[in-house]
Amino acid sequence: EIVLTQSPGTLSLSPGERATLSCRASQSVSSNYLAWYQQRPGQAPRLLIYGASSRATGIPDRFSGSGSVTDFTLTISRLEPEDFAVYYCQQYGDSPRTFGLGTKVEIK
Amino acid sequence: EVHLVESGGGLVQPGGSLRLSCAASGFTFRSYGMNWVRQAPGKGLEWVSFISSSSDVIYYADSVKGRFTISRDNARNSLFLQMNSLRDDDSAVYYCARDQPGSCYYFDYWGQGTLLTVSS
Repeated sequence: EIVLTQSPGTLSLSPGERATLSCRASQSVSSNYLAWYQQRPGQAPRLLIYGASSRATGIPDRFSGSGSVTDFTLTISRLEPEDFAVYYCQQYGDSPRTFGLGTKVEIK
Repeated sequence: EVHLVESGGGLVQPGGSLRLSCAASGFTFRSYGMNWVRQAPGKGLEWVSFISSSSDVIYYADSVKGRFTISRDNARNSLFLQMNSLRDDDSAVYYCARDQPGSCYYFDYWGQGTLLTVSS
């Protein structure tokens, strides 16, 4: 199965700063089938990005995804207070579908 | 508006059984594949099982194969997970999550989850 490694484990930033989150796959992700989710404390995950770079419905344009093959990035251009959360990447190009362990974005 | 509501979680002894349910509304349930995804306390997400829109395709994670059974009732807009031979490491919040029409892709809507605790 494809193992997704997310880095860093924790990112300490201030509101208004730029966040760059990495997701590296142990093998090529077919057709760049990679998604990103946000999970706030006590809430269910929310889809942010699919197909490595397409924003889901209702997701603000400060969220952007990029990358291909094995290296993918989620960028939050300017952090809002509600963006402090845990972010997971997930690949759906191979079975079984797998998630990374997450990156926590915390307030500095 | 898409709405998924899980129920049925609780405290079960190791070796026991439990059935989870997920009530769906706000979309044409019979047109979408559905999944169960779980999250152990303080841990990451783990996909558990998938069922196609017409129940003809079913997948399980290796960790639950042979112990869990996914099913659905399109007439009642409901998804189920029958869990047998439960182990301590099955303890988690279980989410139902909607897939994309016709494929196993990403999960665009999630319920709020139901907590299963396996403990003696």
